[in-house]
Amino acid sequence: DGGITQSPKYLFRKEGQNVTLSCEQNLNHDAMYWYRQDPGQGLRLIYYSQIVNDFQKGDIAEGYSVSREKKESFPLTVTSAQKNPTAFYLCASSTGSEGSPLHFGNGTRLTVT
Amino acid sequence: DQQVKQNSPSLSVQEGRISILNCDYTNSMFDYFLWYKKYPAEGPTFLISISSIKDKNEDGRFTVFLNKSAKHLSLHIVPSQPGDSAVYFCAATAMDTGRRALTFGSGTRLQVQP
Repeated sequence: DGGITQSPKYLFRKEGQNVTLSCEQNLNHDAMYWYRQDPGQGLRLIYYSQIVNDFQKGDIAEGYSVSREKKESFPLTVTSAQKNPTAFYLCASSTGSEGSPLHFGNGTRLTVT
Repeated sequence: DQQVKQNSPSLSVQEGRISILNCDYTNSMFDYFLWYKKYPAEGPTFLISISSIKDKNEDGRFTVFLNKSAKHLSLHIVPSQPGDSAVYFCAATAMDTGRRALTFGSGTRLQVQP
């Protein structure tokens, strides 16, 4: 059963700690993405990767880092430099071809106190 | 600067009637538009898309209309069902910029009353 797996579903951290969110896909997609959703707002792009070992900053990359060492995996690290890290984080993948839709995981809700 | 705007935060319709969700955009480079449906605490699910070379695309109960001159698109759901109650996001992409990522609107919460 192909899809995107994000883990964990809920994550709690203390302020000042880095935390890494997992995203794995078995759809054989080349492109992967990280978005953030805040209450009452749309999804904002953090980072994206169109191919292994390459990634680009999105609109709100400050305070985040990513790696793309394998096609299937695109972990996101929320660093202590991110001023408002509490949010719902969504990972997605696509074939990367023209007009191809993004397929989303079920998200990780991160709470930092 | 919001490039994709959904100006109606919520919409309520009766079961069986038509639901019309609207979306405006400012970036004339956008060439694909997509609609997603989202339930709370879940990831968005792709519904339907349209290329900028078309003005209409239909899939079952869902139809998307694109008016390029007005930079406006709409999603029609006919007939509306209680299971359609969710948040709907409009999204767009500009493939020839090399950035193959979607820009999303802020969403419209649709409630279909039985």
